[in-house]
Amino acid sequence: QVQLVESGGGVVQPGGSLRLSCGASGLILREHVMHWVRQAPGKGLEWVSAISHDDVNKYFSDSVKGRFAISKDPSQNTLYLEMTDLRSDDTALYFCAREVYSSGRCAVFDIWGQGTRVTVSS
Amino acid sequence: DIQMTQSPSTLSASVGDRVTFTCRASQTVDIWLAWYQQKPGKAPKLLVYKTSTLETGVPSRFSGSGSGTEFTLTISSLQPDDFATYYCQHYDKYPPAFGQGTKVEIK
Repeated sequence: QVQLVESGGGVVQPGGSLRLSCGASGLILREHVMHWVRQAPGKGLEWVSAISHDDVNKYFSDSVKGRFAISKDPSQNTLYLEMTDLRSDDTALYFCAREVYSSGRCAVFDIWGQGTRVTVSS
Repeated sequence: DIQMTQSPSTLSASVGDRVTFTCRASQTVDIWLAWYQQKPGKAPKLLVYKTSTLETGVPSRFSGSGSGTEFTLTISSLQPDDFATYYCQHYDKYPPAFGQGTKVEIK
């Protein structure tokens, strides 16, 4: 059974840091482009970041560029999102997702985790 | 960046109704448009990709159409399980973007 499980969320003060993890079972992350998507409380979905299957290409939304980093650990089959200089508007449920059905430039997401909640508050 | 706008924000309907909602892109996304269904506390579920292709297992009462900048998702006969929020997403290029969602409520 293919499954993604996020962890690492919590409450952090503004300016703080947090590392989110996304463990995969039933799929090998180094074979897939993986993404992070977030959802602020009561709001819609916002794409955050992506990493190519070979880790060569990494993409970030303008709202997190320079503050967030994305990586994978093949030995742990885990995806990470390193978040620094956190702000109140980073408060959200963070999902990891697998990319599928590419347009050649970007794609959609067919497998999602259940999300991990990040709250940035003093 | 391409912006996505969905309408209406909320739609009240009854079981058995035919419902249609719209997604507009700020510039052409060709056919690279997907639809997701999300229920409270759950991850989104992919319904449609490449404008009109149903994901495996999605009921045939769902259909998508459009191209360029205007797209629609239609549910031919609304079922109790369909009350949820629906998001469109373009994937023409980075960054991908979602619409703000259409919530389908029980009338």
